[in-house]
Amino acid sequence: GAVVSQHPSRVICKSGTSVKIECRSLDFQATTMFWYRQFPKQSLMLMATSNEGSKATYEQGVEKDKFLINHASLTLSTLTVTSAHPEDSSFYICSAREGGELFFGEGSRLTVL
Amino acid sequence: AQSVSQHNHHVILSEAASLELGCNYSYGGTVNLFWYVQYPGQHLQLLLKYFSGDPLVKGIKGFEAEFIKSKFSFNLRKPSVQWSDTAEYFCAVRSGGYQKVTFGTGTKLQVIP
Repeated sequence: GAVVSQHPSRVICKSGTSVKIECRSLDFQATTMFWYRQFPKQSLMLMATSNEGSKATYEQGVEKDKFLINHASLTLSTLTVTSAHPEDSSFYICSAREGGELFFGEGSRLTVL
Repeated sequence: AQSVSQHNHHVILSEAASLELGCNYSYGGTVNLFWYVQYPGQHLQLLLKYFSGDPLVKGIKGFEAEFIKSKFSFNLRKPSVQWSDTAEYFCAVRSGGYQKVTFGTGTKLQVIP
C-alpha cells in the first residue's frame, strides 16, 4: 500500500514555542491530506483537511491561528502548533487518500512542558 | 453529523477464542464503513472496508465484518484470535459524498497466549 511518513515522531518543547510537524506521501501524490489529534483513551479527532495549493478547512472548534496548516506541494503538508501550551500535548496523526483508501502516518507525539 | 460508537474499550481474550467487536454508527444515508488496526508502535492500517454489495466483508488476517443496515452496525469478527492480534481496533465511517472519516473511540484487544 501507499506510504505516509510523519516527522518528527516525538517532540518536546517549552511552553510558548512553535513546533512544526511534517507529513509526506512517499510514493503517491496527495491533493488532500487530513490532520487528526488523538487524546489518550479517546478517538482520533479530525482537526482539518489540508488542500494542496489552497487554504485548509478546519473543523468546528479548532483554532486555525493556533494550528497552521500548509500544503505547499502534492507530497507535503505541515502542521505548525504555534505558541504551544501544555494542553496542546497530544498525538497528532496525518493521513492521505490513495485509491479510495486512507493511509496514515506513524503519528507525532508532542509534549509541551 | 455522523458519529461512531464502539462499545468495548478493552477486551482480553485467550488465544483461539472467538472475537466480536461492536460498532454502531449514526447516519441515515449512504455510508462507507472501515475497520482499522493499530499494532503497538505501528501506523494505523486498514483491516477491511465496506462500500457496497455483499454486506459480509472479508479483510486481512482472517478478519471479517458484517454490515447490518437496519441496525446501523458493522461488527468485526474473527473466529480464532492469535497473540499477534493484540492491537487497538478502530471503526470508522464516511458518509456518502463527504471526504472526512469519523472514528470510534477504539477497542484495545489483548490476546493472552
